[in-house]
Amino acid sequence: DVKVTQSSRYLVKRTGEKVFLECVQDMDHENMFWYRQDPGLGLRLIYFSYDVKMKEKGDIPEGYSVSREKKERFSLILESASTNQTSMYLCASSLSRGRDYGYTFGSGTRLTVV
Amino acid sequence: RKEVEQDPGPFNVPEGATVAFNCTYSNSASQSFFWYRQDCRKEPKLLMSVYSSGNEDGRFTAQLNRASQYISLLIRDSKLSDSATYLCVVNKGNNRLAFGKGNQVVVIP
Repeated sequence: DVKVTQSSRYLVKRTGEKVFLECVQDMDHENMFWYRQDPGLGLRLIYFSYDVKMKEKGDIPEGYSVSREKKERFSLILESASTNQTSMYLCASSLSRGRDYGYTFGSGTRLTVV
Repeated sequence: RKEVEQDPGPFNVPEGATVAFNCTYSNSASQSFFWYRQDCRKEPKLLMSVYSSGNEDGRFTAQLNRASQYISLLIRDSKLSDSATYLCVVNKGNNRLAFGKGNQVVVIP
């Protein structure tokens, strides 16, 4: 089974801190994605990447950046954390751009910014 | 119109009953579709892909209606363990998926 591992399950950070959320997948998937999930708003795409060193903005990239230096690792960076970034963050990966590939999600990081 | 629309529910279902729900999608060019299941405070997990001919996996049946742009999921003989949120998912192209907000199902003993 593909495994997507997110480094922290729960995280509490202070406003203004720089926050790094790490995600690693172990099945040589090309695509990786970062979402946030909030009650009533569903899953919203922040950034995604189809290959190493490649990144593309999703629907809500403001206040975030990403890094993909190695194929298996995709990091989400909150440059200066704010309280409205308190959320559940989910990383996902998929094999390639082929149309029938679903995503495998990590178990999520619940981030609280105080 | 939203990319994927679902009635959030909750759908309260007696144990052993059948429940069905639909979702609609806006992009007629969409080519692939999925249902994901998400348990409370857990990550979404792929339940099944949805094919043009419809497909069945045990007690779960998925159907696609391209003309009306909707996807359905039917759960027969509901179990308590089926209580979850079911997310309708549409491939927008280049493996970018659009997620609905989910149908919450509560199976009642």
